[in-house]
This record gives sequence, C-alpha cells and structure tokens, in this order.
Amino acid sequence: DVKVTQSSRYLVKRTGEKVFLECVQDMDHENMFWYRQDPGLGLRLIYFSYDVKMKEKGDIPEGYSVSREKKERFSLILESASTNQTSMYLCASNPLTTGTDTQYFGPGTRLTVL
Amino acid sequence: GENVEQHPSTLSVQEGDSAVIKCTYSDSASNYFPWYKQELGKRPQLIIDIRSNVGEKKDQRIAVTLNKTAKHFSLHITETQPEDSAVYFCAASPFTGGGNKLTFGTGTQLKVEL
Repeated sequence: DVKVTQSSRYLVKRTGEKVFLECVQDMDHENMFWYRQDPGLGLRLIYFSYDVKMKEKGDIPEGYSVSREKKERFSLILESASTNQTSMYLCASNPLTTGTDTQYFGPGTRLTVL
Repeated sequence: GENVEQHPSTLSVQEGDSAVIKCTYSDSASNYFPWYKQELGKRPQLIIDIRSNVGEKKDQRIAVTLNKTAKHFSLHITETQPEDSAVYFCAASPFTGGGNKLTFGTGTQLKVEL
C-alpha cells in the first residue's frame, strides 16, 4: 500500500518566518508534487519534481521553493511566510511508469500564517 | 496552459437518485482525465479515470464519459448513498510520459440526503 506522509497536520507560523513542509513517500516513486487547496479554487500545483535534484514550476510557484535531495523526500519552503499563504498543502507522488497515472496524496498540512 | 472548469460547485440529491458532475477543459493536448473524491478531513483519492482513446468507462455505480470534440467529460454516480457525500475533483493532463501534471477543477460538494 502506498504511503505518503507529511511532517505536520497543523502548523501555525508568524509572518516573515521561514517555513518547511516535508513530504515522504515509501514507494520509490520518481514523481512528487506539491499543491495548495483553497475553498472554491480546488487544488493548484505549486511545484513538482521528476527526479532527485530536479524541479519544475507549477501554476502558482511565487513565494515558494522546493528541495529534493533524496528520492523519497520532497520539501516545500516558504522563504518568508505571508498571510495569503494560509492554506491546506497537499503532497502527492506517482511512479514514472507509463500507464500508472494515479497520484497518491498525503494527509495534508493545514498552515496558518498570523 | 490548461484550464479546467467544473460545475456545479454544490450538488444535493436524495439517496438513490443519480448525480452528474461536468467538467470542460481547454487544452486539446490533454488525454488523461481522472476524478478524485475527498471526504471531509481526508486526502483526495482516485475513484475513476479515463483516457482519450475511450469514450466511456464504468466501475460499479460510477461512470465517466468523455467527449474530446467538445472538450468535456462528466462523472455519473447512480443509486447514490450517504457515503458518496464528499467533494469531487476532476482533472486533466497531457500525459508526458515522464509523469503527469494534473490541472484540477474547482471541486463539487456532493451531499446525499436521506
């Protein structure tokens, strides 16, 4: 069974703080994704990675960066948190194999920036 | 880039009735269309998907139809049950072979009333 875990379920930070959200998957998946989920806006892709040390911008990368030093771990970084980054953050992964397009999601991190 | 519109945003049906959720997409290169279900407080999970070489796919009480010419696809749930109550997201992707970048719709809150 695929397992995607995220470091925190709930997180409260102050404006201007540097925030790290971590995601770990245990299925040796090549692809990993970070989304944010907001009411009425659905899931929007922030960044994704096809391999270690590789990253590509999604639809809303502004204010975020990512790091993928190991295959199983994909970190989302808010360099200087702002109140408009208060949201639910979801990580997902899937394998590179053609035909297996299902993305497996983590439980989410609800981030509040005060 | 791809744009996916989803309607309705909320849908209330009586138990046993059918529910239909519709999505349209803009990028003619998209050829993979999954549907995710997110129960309250839980992670999104894939419930059904369809590729562009197929017009319809069915799995027990759920079915998806695709009209590539009109660029729209729909989720059909028959004989709805209370456990079908959730938020449903459609998505579209031009499968790249190196992993799929999904663009999600804004979600439909389905409520099945007793």
